[in-house]
Amino acid sequence: AAGVIQSPRHLIKEKRETATLKCYPIPRHDTVYWYQQGPGQDPQFLISFYEKMQSDKGSIPDRFSAQQFSDYHSELNMSSLELGDSALYFCASRAEDRVYGYTFGSGTRLTVV
Amino acid sequence: SQQGEEDPQALSIQEGENATMNCSYKTSINNLQWYRQNSGRGLVHLILIRSNEREKHSGRLRVTLDTSKKSSSLLITASRAADTASYFCATDAGDYKLSFGAGTTVTVRA
Repeated sequence: AAGVIQSPRHLIKEKRETATLKCYPIPRHDTVYWYQQGPGQDPQFLISFYEKMQSDKGSIPDRFSAQQFSDYHSELNMSSLELGDSALYFCASRAEDRVYGYTFGSGTRLTVV
Repeated sequence: SQQGEEDPQALSIQEGENATMNCSYKTSINNLQWYRQNSGRGLVHLILIRSNEREKHSGRLRVTLDTSKKSSSLLITASRAADTASYFCATDAGDYKLSFGAGTTVTVRA
């Protein structure tokens, strides 16, 4: 079965650079979520989209932005990267009927040096 | 964490034993979910229990939910080495996000 696809799997950037993370949800899932998980931390909600519109926003820095496109894939753009942005970034998708749990991608490990 | 605490923070058991971990949360929920995460890997959905359910089973997993106490427990029976992972509870309050607990790290010794 198709899963949530994230790319790239690993990314190394220098401070003050920009990074773009991509997420391809499960087909027919209309809601996409982004989470950030620092080392040894629980996942923290960043932002979500429903039907290509932002539906909720968490602790996302102003340096980050995201959008969901017409094909439902989503991109998380991160600018002026800081060392503290080093983390695992997960994307998850879910069908609106809420019958099942969220399906998470394998994550993108971002390292800022 | 956004929602509450999980306890214990870490658990070490012998293969074949049962592992129990607890999760508390703060707000009203639509459902509560448990996820497993192997070191540095993705989150795998294990089980979802709705707010009007009290207990649910899936294979070797048993989840209970007490909405009056705002708490849940996850029991893994007859543990295996492959169960070694971090386990997170996450609550869905009916809004557009999941709120995760701090996680319990389970080590199953062969």
